[in-house]
Amino acid sequence: DQQVKQNSPSLSVQEGRISILNCDYTNSMFDYFLWYKKYPAEGPTFLISISSIKDKNEDGRFTVFLNKSAKHLSLHIVPSQPGDSAVYFCAANQLYSGNTPLVFGKGTRLSVIA
Amino acid sequence: DADVTQTPRNRITKTGKRIMLECSQTKGHDRMYWYRQDPGLGLRLIYYSFDVKDINKGEISDGYSVSRQAQAKFSLSLESAIPNQTALYFCATSDLRGTYNEQFFGPGTRLTVL
Repeated sequence: DQQVKQNSPSLSVQEGRISILNCDYTNSMFDYFLWYKKYPAEGPTFLISISSIKDKNEDGRFTVFLNKSAKHLSLHIVPSQPGDSAVYFCAANQLYSGNTPLVFGKGTRLSVIA
Repeated sequence: DADVTQTPRNRITKTGKRIMLECSQTKGHDRMYWYRQDPGLGLRLIYYSFDVKDINKGEISDGYSVSRQAQAKFSLSLESAIPNQTALYFCATSDLRGTYNEQFFGPGTRLTVL
């Protein structure tokens, strides 16, 4: 069974608008969440993370929101730019109770249209 | 120079052949991982190693083996390759003392088993 779920395989957004990528998790022991970005022919690169003690973390155009009661997190990109077109992976682990390996979702392909 | 390198970058082989994929890192990290990516399935963990004497199975270890030859080197072997092992393989590293628990990925190896 999938512990980290990204239910939207793809998302298309106009340049300048907001992109919202969603992620759900089932393991209540997860206490740390990350987003990775992947371009074709490259490895994934770390984008932003959030600890379970927070509900929001912001870094420039990227903001991650965490709703622990709903076991849901989202990545907001504002404003979206064509260079943001990539596959985005949500990941989670138990950082504070064993530092387990990351568990990844299946990814969402974002296309930002100029 | 890249911090995490993978060789080869592309490999085409035949069913039944033994294949080794190699990963080297200059980041000084103690933890190393092997993932495979398949279309629509995201990143799935094959094996991971928290130090030279530690090897752990991941979600999909059947048909694979690994060797941690040194802190900086982690190789993945397919003893007898089969077509459903055709995928993109990524090596990753992380630092136990890292601030954000992020994993750093190599550029990937595209393996095709005919």
